[in-house]
Amino acid sequence: DAGITQSPRHKVTETGTPVTLRCHQTENHRYMYWYRQDPGHGLRLIHYSYGVKDTDKGEVSDGYSVSRSKTEDFLLTLESATSSQTSVYFCAISSGTGDSPLHFGNGTRLTVT
Amino acid sequence: QKEVEQNSGPLSVPEGAIASLNCTYSDRGSQSFFWYRQYSGKSPELIMFIYSNGDKEDGRFTAQLNKASQYVSLLIRDSQPSDSATYLCAGLHGGYNKLIFGAGTRLAVHP
Repeated sequence: DAGITQSPRHKVTETGTPVTLRCHQTENHRYMYWYRQDPGHGLRLIHYSYGVKDTDKGEVSDGYSVSRSKTEDFLLTLESATSSQTSVYFCAISSGTGDSPLHFGNGTRLTVT
Repeated sequence: QKEVEQNSGPLSVPEGAIASLNCTYSDRGSQSFFWYRQYSGKSPELIMFIYSNGDKEDGRFTAQLNKASQYVSLLIRDSQPSDSATYLCAGLHGGYNKLIFGAGTRLAVHP
């Protein structure tokens, strides 16, 4: 994989608890993204970042927040986890030069009970 | 209506045949398109991208883009069982290289 590490790889949590997922990159890429993947929906963009402390919402951002204090780290927080947030979460990065493609991390499987 | 549409499949083809995967999109502003392959339980991996009308070939793969008809396709020649996976079509949407994905087409290549 293109120097992207997601942690944890698996997590089970209870409804109502806060959860933070981490994405760490070693490529010094400017753009970072969080997607979720659910059966029948494909990949949907949650939030993205176009620089340190520069973030914006994607198509399914309700219930999620993000932070990017360093180029290499992009955190996704579920403020109060719900069962509808059970999903596989993928972090992706892009150099941002031209129409450069996204490269994905290995994913985090989150189960909210 | 989802902005990028794909038939979920499964598309079943015999080994050695040509697999044809199709994708339509609604945003005429999308200029570049990407095909990703995703094996079960794994992350998406880029196969190829296309941004000009016409065909683009890379080994056994050919991507086709028709902006007037708003469709993108991926042809896989000499299909192998190892090509069995879900293929995701994605279009660039807005700025910051954001990709909008289709739901994916599952391809099954049988010996």
